[in-house]
Amino acid sequence: DAMVIQNPRYQVTQFGKPVTLSCSQTLNHNVMYWYQQKSSQAPKLLFHYYDKDFNNEADTPDNFQSRRPNTSFCFLDIRSPGLGDAAMYLCATRGQPGAIGSNQPQHFGDGTRLSIL
Amino acid sequence: GIQVEQSPPDLILQEGANSTLRCNFSDSVNNLQWFHQNPWGQLINLFYIPSGTKQNGRLSATTVATERYSLLYISSSQTTDSGVYFCALGTGANSKLTFGKGITLSVRP
Repeated sequence: DAMVIQNPRYQVTQFGKPVTLSCSQTLNHNVMYWYQQKSSQAPKLLFHYYDKDFNNEADTPDNFQSRRPNTSFCFLDIRSPGLGDAAMYLCATRGQPGAIGSNQPQHFGDGTRLSIL
Repeated sequence: GIQVEQSPPDLILQEGANSTLRCNFSDSVNNLQWFHQNPWGQLINLFYIPSGTKQNGRLSATTVATERYSLLYISSSQTTDSGVYFCALGTGANSKLTFGKGITLSVRP
């Protein structure tokens, strides 16, 4: 019954070797987010898509990129992972707000824990 | 950007005790969510509560948006309640979430 699915749950890659994390959703939500959570810290937003419109946070490193080929899927690409990129990566979705002034909660996947060797 | 402050940073409880976790924020928001992160890193949504009061079993939450704070109540705590509790605030058209630093709760048997 998982609605936001992240694969894999654990990913190990080598220093400098490109890696892709994936997120899929069955909610048909138009907004998808990627967060990075380092050890003992709070999740921090990297970027988000509103439909196909990509919105990057100002302090997100250039090393991080994203693709959203359709409504259901969103990918996080790390071009040249460094040791500092080891973290939990969380994907979330949000539906279209309803009436004026209303809003919707974000729904999170279980995350992908990335390790760098 | 919006500032989110959670207190206390750490909390140790005996099983069966009650507790109140607090979240203060600096600006008006269009989304407020409480999460529990378990030891496996899963972020479990507890409440979506930009205003008002909600209850779900032993947990309840209250947000007073005009005074910019939210409270999470845990009654009759259990060891499975242990973990980190995050308050996250959404602002802007796409309601991007800003998380507090979290409250680490340990419930001892």
